Amino acid sequence: AQSVTQLDSQVPVFEEAPVELRCNYSSSVSVYLFWYVQYPNQGLQLLLKYLSGSTLVESINGFEAEFNKSQTSFHLRKPSVHISDTAEYFCAVIKAAGNKLTFGGGTRVLVKP
Amino acid sequence: SAVISQKPSRDICQRGTSLTIQCQVDSQVTMMFWYRQQPGQSLTLIATANQGSEATYESGFVIDKFPISRPNLTFSTLTVSNMSPEDSSIYLCSVEDLGGDGYTFGSGTRLTVV
Repeated sequence: AQSVTQLDSQVPVFEEAPVELRCNYSSSVSVYLFWYVQYPNQGLQLLLKYLSGSTLVESINGFEAEFNKSQTSFHLRKPSVHISDTAEYFCAVIKAAGNKLTFGGGTRVLVKP
Repeated sequence: SAVISQKPSRDICQRGTSLTIQCQVDSQVTMMFWYRQQPGQSLTLIATANQGSEATYESGFVIDKFPISRPNLTFSTLTVSNMSPEDSSIYLCSVEDLGGDGYTFGSGTRLTVV
């Protein structure tokens, strides 16, 4: 079975500073990887995904994540955060031939002015 | 992406009662998934619901506690039975988006059991 580890449960960061959220996964088979964001009191929204192709994937709001197969990682980065990026971020993995998402424990990002 | 309507959005219930959560999708989907997010924690898959067959439950979840219905390809319900305060969580439904966008989630049902 696959598993996902998000190494940081909370990340405080100042506005306009860069942020990196770490995600490592474990799986014996090929996987697809996702980052979801949950804004306060809201549901989950897909931020970005890696299915195949380029290992660097980007979202429309400035986030990017890089799939590193050798390090089994899918870290999420943003070069300059905004107050509105305050949210909880979840890394998730699914077997390429499967249909069940496995989530990491989540990283709460608090952007300070 | 699929659009999911989930209701109720929140409820406060008395212990010992049951609550049924509804999930409506704007397109036909083969599988629907039900998750629980306990306070301050990540999401845990409860069960997978296929139309026309019994739901498949994950370890630690049983049908008597979380009965699921899946009467057609666009609708499912999850019932939280004989509730206790430990059932206070956010419950979310999800579907696989065949457009390739991954998995879409409903906005969740925030349940508080008192």
